[in-house]
Amino acid sequence: DTGVSQNPRHKITKRGQNVTFRCDPISEHNRLYWYRQTLGQGPEFLTYFQNEAQLEKSRLLSDRFSAERPKGSFSTLEIQRTEQGDSAMYLCATEVVTRQETQYFGPGTRLLVL
Amino acid sequence: AQSVTQLGSHVSVSEGALVLLRCNYSSSVPPYLFWYVQYPNQGLQLLLKYTTGATLVKGINGFEAEFKKSETSFHLTKPSAHMSDAAEYFCAVSDGGGADGLTFGKGTHLIIQP
Repeated sequence: DTGVSQNPRHKITKRGQNVTFRCDPISEHNRLYWYRQTLGQGPEFLTYFQNEAQLEKSRLLSDRFSAERPKGSFSTLEIQRTEQGDSAMYLCATEVVTRQETQYFGPGTRLLVL
Repeated sequence: AQSVTQLGSHVSVSEGALVLLRCNYSSSVPPYLFWYVQYPNQGLQLLLKYTTGATLVKGINGFEAEFKKSETSFHLTKPSAHMSDAAEYFCAVSDGGGADGLTFGKGTHLIIQP
C-alpha cells in the first residue's frame, strides 16, 4: 500500500453513461497525475496537477474527459458519454516536488464499458 | 519527445537463475529512469530509479540496474530469481520536470519456472 487510494476499484457502465473516479493522494503530495493503462500496454499520461492547478493535458484527453483537484487535495476524473474504447485501468500517482521525483501509484480503477 | 523500448514482452527464467530485463530509452535531455513492478490487479510499485550520480543503482527485492548513456540503456537485473518475482515490469523515463509525467515502455511479463 503506497498510501494513494482510488475509488471505486472497479466500475462497469453502459456506453453513453457518465462515470467519475476519485483519487486521494498521500498527504502533502503537491503533484498529482492521471494515467490510463490498456491491456498489454504501459500506463499513458493523461493529465497533471500541481496543487489545484491543472498544468498539462495529453492529447489523449479528449473533451469528454475532465479532471479537477479542488483545494489541491483529492482529485476526480470524469468521463462523459463513455465509449467502449474508454475501457481501461485508470491510475493516479502523486509526488512531492524534490530534486529526485518519485511517483507513488494508487491501485487503479478498472473501467469496463459495455 | 521521449520513448522507451522494452525488448521482449515475455521473459521466462528458472528459479535461482539470473534475471535480465532490457530497457532502451530515447530522450533529448538527461533522463530520469525508473523501473516499476506491477502485480495482478494492483498499481505500480517503484523498484529503483536513476536521477544523477552513480550509474549502478540498487533497488528493492535484490534488483539493480545500470544507466549506460552511450548505449541509452537501463537494463534491470537480479542475480537469483524467486517465484515471488513473477510480475509485469515497466521501464519509464522522464525529463525530471514533471510536466509530461512518466513515459512507460509496454512492459515485460516475467515468468519464473520452478
